[in-house]
Amino acid sequence: GDSVTQMEGPVTLSEEAFLTINCTYTATGYPSLFWYVQYPGEGLQLLLKATKADDKGSNKGFEATYRKETTSFHLEKGSVQVSDSAVYFCALISGNTGKLIFGQGTTLQVKP
Amino acid sequence: ETGVTQSPTHLIKTRGQQVTLRCSSQSGHNTVSWYQQALGQGPQFIFQYYREEENGRGNFPPRFSGLQFPNYSSELNVNALELDDSALYLCASSINSGRFETQYFGPGTRLLVL
Repeated sequence: GDSVTQMEGPVTLSEEAFLTINCTYTATGYPSLFWYVQYPGEGLQLLLKATKADDKGSNKGFEATYRKETTSFHLEKGSVQVSDSAVYFCALISGNTGKLIFGQGTTLQVKP
Repeated sequence: ETGVTQSPTHLIKTRGQQVTLRCSSQSGHNTVSWYQQALGQGPQFIFQYYREEENGRGNFPPRFSGLQFPNYSSELNVNALELDDSALYLCASSINSGRFETQYFGPGTRLLVL
Protein backbone atom coordinates (compact mmCIF):
# COMPACT_ATOMS: atom_id res chain seq x y z
CA GLY A 1 0.00 0.00 0.00
CA ASP A 2 0.91 3.67 -0.14
CA SER A 3 3.33 4.91 2.49
CA VAL A 4 5.54 7.81 3.56
CA THR A 5 8.92 7.54 5.28
CA GLN A 6 10.61 10.45 7.02
CA MET A 7 14.03 10.79 8.56
CA GLU A 8 14.01 10.10 12.25
CA GLY A 9 14.43 12.91 14.71
CA PRO A 10 14.90 14.84 16.71
CA VAL A 11 16.86 17.20 14.51
CA THR A 12 18.69 19.81 16.57
CA LEU A 13 20.11 22.89 14.87
CA SER A 14 21.47 26.27 15.83
CA GLU A 15 19.62 29.37 14.70
CA GLU A 16 20.42 30.36 11.08
CA ALA A 17 21.57 26.84 10.18
CA PHE A 18 20.42 25.08 6.99
CA LEU A 19 17.62 22.55 7.37
CA THR A 20 16.86 19.41 5.40
CA ILE A 21 14.24 16.88 6.44
CA ASN A 22 14.14 13.87 4.13
CA CYS A 23 10.87 12.36 2.94
CA THR A 24 10.36 9.50 0.51
CA TYR A 25 7.11 7.90 -0.56
CA THR A 26 5.62 4.81 -2.15
CA ALA A 27 2.41 5.26 -4.10
CA THR A 28 0.52 3.98 -7.08
CA GLY A 29 -0.32 6.61 -9.63
CA TYR A 30 0.55 10.25 -9.14
CA PRO A 31 0.05 11.45 -5.58
CA SER A 32 -0.17 15.00 -4.32
CA LEU A 33 2.47 15.69 -1.68
CA PHE A 34 2.28 17.87 1.42
CA TRP A 35 4.26 19.11 4.38
CA TYR A 36 2.32 19.90 7.53
CA VAL A 37 3.73 21.44 10.73
CA GLN A 38 2.49 20.87 14.27
CA TYR A 39 3.47 23.27 17.04
CA PRO A 40 3.32 22.01 20.64
CA GLY A 41 -0.24 21.40 21.81
CA GLU A 42 -1.78 22.38 18.47
CA GLY A 43 -3.34 20.81 15.38
CA LEU A 44 -1.71 20.52 11.97
CA GLN A 45 -1.02 23.50 9.74
CA LEU A 46 -0.41 23.14 6.02
CA LEU A 47 3.12 24.35 5.27
CA LEU A 48 3.37 23.67 1.54
CA LYS A 49 2.24 21.30 -1.19
CA ALA A 50 3.03 20.06 -4.71
CA THR A 51 0.61 18.26 -6.98
CA LYS A 52 2.77 17.04 -9.87
CA ALA A 53 6.31 16.04 -10.70
CA ASP A 54 8.93 18.82 -10.61
CA ASP A 55 6.56 21.21 -8.84
CA LYS A 56 8.18 23.20 -6.05
CA GLY A 57 6.08 24.12 -3.05
CA SER A 58 7.22 27.05 -0.91
CA ASN A 59 6.04 29.00 2.11
CA LYS A 60 7.67 31.01 4.93
CA GLY A 61 11.15 30.27 3.59
CA PHE A 62 10.55 26.51 3.41
CA GLU A 63 10.75 24.70 0.07
CA ALA A 64 10.22 21.17 -1.23
CA THR A 65 10.42 19.78 -4.78
CA TYR A 66 8.35 16.84 -6.00
CA ARG A 67 10.91 14.39 -7.41
CA LYS A 68 9.17 11.52 -9.20
CA GLU A 69 12.40 9.82 -10.26
CA THR A 70 13.57 9.48 -6.65
CA THR A 71 10.04 9.41 -5.10
CA SER A 72 11.11 12.15 -2.71
CA PHE A 73 9.81 15.43 -1.31
CA HIS A 74 12.56 16.72 0.97
CA LEU A 75 11.87 19.82 3.06
CA GLU A 76 14.53 22.57 3.12
CA LYS A 77 15.04 25.98 4.68
CA GLY A 78 18.11 28.11 4.28
CA SER A 79 18.14 29.71 7.74
CA VAL A 80 16.05 28.33 10.59
CA GLN A 81 14.73 30.33 13.52
CA VAL A 82 13.88 29.31 17.08
CA SER A 83 10.21 29.79 16.15
CA ASP A 84 10.52 26.96 13.57
CA SER A 85 10.81 24.43 16.41
CA ALA A 86 7.93 22.01 15.83
CA VAL A 87 7.07 18.57 14.46
CA TYR A 88 7.03 18.32 10.66
CA PHE A 89 4.92 15.73 8.82
CA CYS A 90 5.27 14.67 5.20
CA ALA A 91 2.05 13.32 3.69
CA LEU A 92 0.46 12.21 0.43
CA ILE A 93 -2.96 11.78 -1.12
CA SER A 94 -3.11 9.29 -3.94
CA GLY A 95 -5.65 7.79 -6.23
CA ASN A 96 -9.23 8.50 -5.36
CA THR A 97 -9.16 7.53 -1.70
CA GLY A 98 -9.25 11.06 -0.35
CA LYS A 99 -7.22 10.09 2.68
CA LEU A 100 -3.95 11.64 3.75
CA ILE A 101 -1.19 9.18 4.52
CA PHE A 102 1.37 10.63 6.94
CA GLY A 103 4.94 9.88 7.80
CA GLN A 104 5.85 9.42 11.44
CA GLY A 105 6.90 13.05 11.88
CA THR A 106 10.28 14.68 12.49
CA THR A 107 10.86 16.87 15.53
CA LEU A 108 12.94 19.97 14.88
CA GLN A 109 14.58 21.81 17.77
CA VAL A 110 16.28 25.12 16.99
CA LYS A 111 18.56 26.56 19.67
CA PRO A 112 19.47 30.24 19.92
CA GLU B 1 -13.79 33.31 6.70
CA THR B 2 -13.59 30.99 9.71
CA GLY B 3 -11.30 28.01 9.83
CA VAL B 4 -12.00 24.51 11.06
CA THR B 5 -13.19 24.40 14.67
CA GLN B 6 -13.51 21.43 17.00
CA SER B 7 -15.14 20.85 20.36
CA PRO B 8 -14.44 20.09 23.08
CA THR B 9 -10.72 20.83 23.31
CA HIS B 10 -10.11 18.25 26.03
CA LEU B 11 -12.10 15.34 27.36
CA ILE B 12 -11.61 12.69 30.02
CA LYS B 13 -13.66 9.48 29.90
CA THR B 14 -13.51 6.08 31.52
CA ARG B 15 -13.21 2.75 29.77
CA GLY B 16 -16.50 1.50 28.33
CA GLN B 17 -18.07 4.94 28.02
CA GLN B 18 -19.15 6.62 24.79
CA VAL B 19 -17.92 9.96 23.42
CA THR B 20 -19.01 12.41 20.72
CA LEU B 21 -16.60 14.87 19.17
CA ARG B 22 -17.70 17.75 16.96
CA CYS B 23 -16.23 19.58 13.99
CA SER B 24 -17.29 22.61 12.00
CA SER B 25 -15.76 22.74 8.55
CA GLN B 26 -14.19 25.75 6.91
CA SER B 27 -16.56 27.95 4.96
CA GLY B 28 -17.18 26.60 1.46
CA HIS B 29 -15.81 23.12 2.23
CA ASN B 30 -18.07 20.09 1.64
CA THR B 31 -15.87 17.24 2.85
CA VAL B 32 -14.77 16.32 6.37
CA SER B 33 -12.12 13.78 7.32
CA TRP B 34 -11.27 12.48 10.78
CA TYR B 35 -7.85 11.34 11.99
CA GLN B 36 -6.51 9.80 15.19
CA GLN B 37 -3.06 10.88 16.34
CA ALA B 38 -1.52 8.82 19.11
CA LEU B 39 1.28 10.39 21.13
CA GLY B 40 4.49 10.65 19.13
CA GLN B 41 2.98 9.31 15.91
CA GLY B 42 1.57 10.61 12.67
CA PRO B 43 -2.20 10.95 12.23
CA GLN B 44 -4.10 7.86 11.08
CA PHE B 45 -7.15 8.18 8.81
CA ILE B 46 -10.43 7.12 10.44
CA PHE B 47 -13.01 8.04 7.78
CA GLN B 48 -14.24 10.77 5.47
CA TYR B 49 -17.68 12.22 4.84
CA TYR B 50 -18.88 13.88 1.67
CA ARG B 51 -22.45 15.07 1.15
CA GLU B 52 -23.52 13.33 4.37
CA GLU B 53 -22.27 9.91 3.21
CA GLU B 54 -19.21 7.98 4.37
CA ASN B 55 -16.69 8.26 1.55
CA GLY B 56 -13.83 6.04 2.65
CA ARG B 57 -12.76 4.41 5.89
CA GLY B 58 -9.46 3.49 7.45
CA ASN B 59 -8.59 0.48 9.57
CA PHE B 60 -10.79 1.31 12.56
CA PRO B 61 -13.47 -0.90 14.14
CA PRO B 62 -17.21 -0.21 13.74
CA ARG B 63 -17.41 1.33 17.21
CA PHE B 64 -15.94 4.39 15.50
CA SER B 65 -18.81 6.01 13.61
CA GLY B 66 -19.64 9.41 12.23
CA LEU B 67 -22.16 11.77 10.80
CA GLN B 68 -22.11 14.74 8.51
CA PHE B 69 -24.90 17.31 8.60
CA PRO B 70 -26.41 19.40 5.78
CA ASN B 71 -24.25 22.37 6.83
CA TYR B 72 -21.20 20.06 6.38
CA SER B 73 -20.35 19.98 10.08
CA SER B 74 -19.56 16.54 11.44
CA GLU B 75 -19.49 14.31 14.51
CA LEU B 76 -17.23 11.44 15.46
CA ASN B 77 -18.71 8.93 17.88
CA VAL B 78 -16.72 6.29 19.69
CA ASN B 79 -18.52 3.58 21.67
CA ALA B 80 -17.12 1.25 24.31
CA LEU B 81 -14.01 3.32 24.85
CA GLU B 82 -10.71 1.51 25.36
CA LEU B 83 -7.52 2.80 26.94
CA ASP B 84 -5.83 2.80 23.51
CA ASP B 85 -8.41 5.30 22.25
CA SER B 86 -6.54 7.99 24.19
CA ALA B 87 -5.24 10.31 21.47
CA LEU B 88 -5.61 13.63 19.71
CA TYR B 89 -8.55 13.51 17.31
CA LEU B 90 -8.19 15.78 14.33
CA CYS B 91 -10.84 16.93 11.92
CA ALA B 92 -9.93 18.27 8.48
CA SER B 93 -12.14 19.91 5.89
CA SER B 94 -11.66 20.20 2.14
CA ILE B 95 -13.49 20.72 -1.13
CA ASN B 96 -14.29 17.65 -3.19
CA SER B 97 -14.36 19.00 -6.70
CA GLY B 98 -13.91 15.70 -8.48
CA ARG B 99 -10.34 15.44 -7.28
CA PHE B 100 -9.18 15.56 -3.72
CA GLU B 101 -8.05 18.97 -2.62
CA THR B 102 -5.91 20.17 0.26
CA GLN B 103 -7.19 19.31 3.73
CA TYR B 104 -7.18 21.98 6.43
CA PHE B 105 -7.07 20.86 10.03
CA GLY B 106 -8.72 22.00 13.19
CA PRO B 107 -6.91 22.28 16.55
CA GLY B 108 -8.03 18.83 17.64
CA THR B 109 -9.74 17.27 20.63
CA ARG B 110 -7.50 15.56 23.14
CA LEU B 111 -9.22 12.49 24.60
CA LEU B 112 -7.94 10.69 27.66
CA VAL B 113 -9.49 7.33 28.55
CA LEU B 114 -8.90 6.14 32.09
